[in-house]
Amino acid sequence: QSVLTQPPSVSGAPGQRVTISCTGSSSNIGAGYDVHWYQQLPGTAPKLLIYGNNNRPSGVPDRFSGSKSGTSASLAITGLQAEDEADYYCQSYDSSLSAVVFGGGTKLTVL
Amino acid sequence: QVQLVESGGGLVKPGGSLRLSCAASGFTFSDYYMNWIRQAPGKGLEWVSKISSSGSTTYYADSMKGRFTISRDNAQNSLYLQMDSLRGEDTAVYYCARGQEGYHYWGQGTLVTVSS
Repeated sequence: QSVLTQPPSVSGAPGQRVTISCTGSSSNIGAGYDVHWYQQLPGTAPKLLIYGNNNRPSGVPDRFSGSKSGTSASLAITGLQAEDEADYYCQSYDSSLSAVVFGGGTKLTVL
Repeated sequence: QVQLVESGGGLVKPGGSLRLSCAASGFTFSDYYMNWIRQAPGKGLEWVSKISSSGSTTYYADSMKGRFTISRDNAQNSLYLQMDSLRGEDTAVYYCARGQEGYHYWGQGTLVTVSS
């Protein structure tokens, strides 16, 4: 069981908007630790999509956005494209574990 | 450009040892914390260990403490992971990644298989 909880899968049609949730607790997201998001295409290394809750590295389209509230965070993808089909992971820090923690991952299917 | 290249993976028997390496280039290696993150086949990401830029401070996930040792050689721009007492559940692709959190750069990974 991951410390950060993500839905196993989400789906959407091309052009639609989808969101992926990441639910934590008072010892990680709720404690104010930043949330980061990664995209992993099949057979490749993860790629940083969002850092520090809502910042995009250069080169990441503005279709991707992040938000955080309370003990949860969300990744939103607008204008869904076939190339967005991938696994998405959230990451934060947990003070009870004194460890970096990842969500279990969410598989995005573009219908 | 930033490059991280892992090596040293392979097949090892339970109870055995393996040393992974990560060769860094394209940035000032000694300025950055470095990490090892792993991914078991078909599973999610799991943080393994982190080392400070100087190498003086190390951090480990609980399940790796006492069995894995992270180290670095800033003169050689290299990161290492010594893995001892390996178990079947350590089978995974091991990635090195740069930074304290929000890892902007990752290597391509090296596969470690623990099996008799």
